[in-house]
Amino acid sequence: DIQMTQSPSSLSASVGDRVTITCRASQSISSYLNWYQQKPGKAPKLLIYAASSLQSGVPSRFSGSGSGTDFTLTISSLQPEDFATYYCQQSYSPTLGYTFGQGTKLEIK
Amino acid sequence: QVQLVQSGAEVKKPGASVKVSCKASGYTFTSYGISWVRQAPGQGLEWMGWISAYNGNTNYAQKLQGRVTMTTDTSTSTAYMELRSLRSDDTAVYYCARERDYDSSGYYYPWGQGTLVTVSS
Repeated sequence: DIQMTQSPSSLSASVGDRVTITCRASQSISSYLNWYQQKPGKAPKLLIYAASSLQSGVPSRFSGSGSGTDFTLTISSLQPEDFATYYCQQSYSPTLGYTFGQGTKLEIK
Repeated sequence: QVQLVQSGAEVKKPGASVKVSCKASGYTFTSYGISWVRQAPGQGLEWMGWISAYNGNTNYAQKLQGRVTMTTDTSTSTAYMELRSLRSDDTAVYYCARERDYDSSGYYYPWGQGTLVTVSS
C-alpha cells in the first residue's frame, strides 16, 4: 500500500489567514493526488484533482501544488466556510489501492 | 443534475452481512465507475474499492479482500456494496462516489449522502 501522511493533523487559524497543508506519499505518485474538504455530518467534497486542477465551482482561493512525493494545499485567504477537515488522497494505482491521508482539521482561532 | 442516492441506515449483528445500494441519476451510468469509501465514527476516510459500471471489473482494498463484493445493475443505474462477516470495527458511514472523469480516474464527484452501518450485538 502507498501511505499518505498529512501535516499538521490540526491547525488553528483566523479568517483572512493564508494556510498551507502538506501531504507526503510513501513513494512517488507523480501528480496522482487529490484534495477533499469535509464538514461534520456531510460527504467529502472534491476540491483539487491531479495535484493542481481546481474542481468546477470551487473558489480560486484554493490551490494545489506538488509532484512525486510532496504536495501542498493552500488556502490564500481563509473564509468562515473553510473551517473543516481536509484530506489528501492518492490515485496512483488501483491495484495498490487509493489511500487517503489521516486528515487535517482546520479550526477557528 | 448528477446525483447518487444511497439506501438507509442498517443495524446488523456481528457475523451478518450488509448490502448498501447507491442509485445514480443525471448521467449515463455505464460511462463512470463507482467507488466506495467508509468512515468509522470520528475517524478518517478509508478507500474500500472500485467497480467499473461499464464492464463490472473491480479492485478491492487488500484488507477487505474476501469479505467485500461490489456489483452494479445497469438496468436500474444502481451500484451495490456487500460486506460479509461483519465485525464491530465495520461500524461506519459508507459512501459511494462517482469517478469524476471516465471509468477510473481515481477522484470522486459527486458523492452519495452516506449510509450508517452499525454492527452491534
